[in-house]
Amino acid sequence: GAGVSQSPSNKVTEKGKDVELRCDPISGHTALYWYRQSLGQGLEFLIYFQGNSAPDKSGLPSDRFSAERTGGSVSTLTIQRTQQEDSAVYLCASSLQGLSKNIQYFGAGTRLSVL
Amino acid sequence: GESVGLHLPTLSVQEGDNSIINCAYSNSASDYFIWYKQESGKGPQFIIDIRSNMDKRQGQRVTVLLNKTVKHLSLQIAATQPGDSAVYFCAENMENFNKFYFGSGTKLNVKP
Repeated sequence: GAGVSQSPSNKVTEKGKDVELRCDPISGHTALYWYRQSLGQGLEFLIYFQGNSAPDKSGLPSDRFSAERTGGSVSTLTIQRTQQEDSAVYLCASSLQGLSKNIQYFGAGTRLSVL
Repeated sequence: GESVGLHLPTLSVQEGDNSIINCAYSNSASDYFIWYKQESGKGPQFIIDIRSNMDKRQGQRVTVLLNKTVKHLSLQIAATQPGDSAVYFCAENMENFNKFYFGSGTKLNVKP
């Protein structure tokens, strides 16, 4: 596609519900990142996928958070039993390769509000 | 974790003036730095990057300066325009590591 696509753009949910956030990376990009951005804050690394390698999950804040990437393309970030502190913008980025000096292209994000 | 912070959370400049946005980083092993621009409702957009073997890099109307001695990074925007109004983030990375560490951002307001 033309860019990184994320859906939904906005998600309002009730505390305790599960949510799934979707990311479609740029076609051909093998590396995919998820970040969380709280209001007025910088980006917090969550998870990183590179090709068929095991993902780097070291940034996931709790076991309620998980992510998968099927077929090396689309990724889904799942948050189980959502809490109010999970409210944030969740950003996805992709790059050609998972190397530090490859530019990451970001989607517009999913704004999650947990009531 | 790493600490990447900014000296000024908000910066207001007059259209046509030059802007300087500063960033401090704490990890002396970081060897790659990026500046991103984030407009309201959008994801961050790459502006310019610099490697630690350089102390200056120029792009179109933007210049990044790196001072490794004091672990300081700055972004200079020449002839600031209303379209430059956004939040600017610096990010640092170490070679062979997947994570980028982002600062909390500086909001740039350009007054007409």
